[in-house]
Amino acid sequence: SQTIHQWPATLVQPVGSPLSLECTVEGTSNPNLYWYRQAAGRGLQLLFYSVGIGQISSEVPQNLSASRPQDRQFILSSKKLLLSDSGFYLCATTGDRGAEQYFGPGTRLTVT
Amino acid sequence: AQSVTQPDIHITVSEGASLELRCNYSYGATPYLFWYVQSPGQGLQLLLKYFSGDTLVQGIKGFEAEFKRSQSSFNLRKPSVHWSDAAEYFCAVVTTTNAGKSTFGDGTTLTVKP
Repeated sequence: SQTIHQWPATLVQPVGSPLSLECTVEGTSNPNLYWYRQAAGRGLQLLFYSVGIGQISSEVPQNLSASRPQDRQFILSSKKLLLSDSGFYLCATTGDRGAEQYFGPGTRLTVT
Repeated sequence: AQSVTQPDIHITVSEGASLELRCNYSYGATPYLFWYVQSPGQGLQLLLKYFSGDTLVQGIKGFEAEFKRSQSSFNLRKPSVHWSDAAEYFCAVVTTTNAGKSTFGDGTTLTVKP
């Protein structure tokens, strides 16, 4: 089964600073990968998904971007963070049926 | 577009009592259906899933869910709740028209009283 790693686990960044969150997946090849954001006390918002290297689809216009430089690596970035970027960021991949999702442990981002 | 509704934002039950969390979806056909659980500060864990067949599905940690096509519902149940079940629960659907992407409900927070 898949294992998803995310780092860092927590991050405190000032407004206007850059961001790079990394997600790596083990135990599968050519996975679909997803970035979600979860604001405090709210549900999951899909930010980006990728079906292969270099293939990124954006779900929500914002100052974030994503990249997939390797098959099992997914990176979430920003050039200048906003206060509204604070939240819990989750990376996910899909199971064998391509439907159920498996999540990483998440990164807690606080923008100050 | 499909949507998922979890009518109960917060539910409190006593330890040992039964539990039912509601989930309704809006979609023209039968989607794939899922329940996930999230403990504070952690990622989501898949509890159970429904693709087709038997409408009563068993999951991990003693949970089950029943798909009712006529009501467009997929309610989660547990006969006897344990204190460790306190968490947030998310219902989700995947449809063939949405490129396999999951649509999540807003979640239900479960509090367990001793």
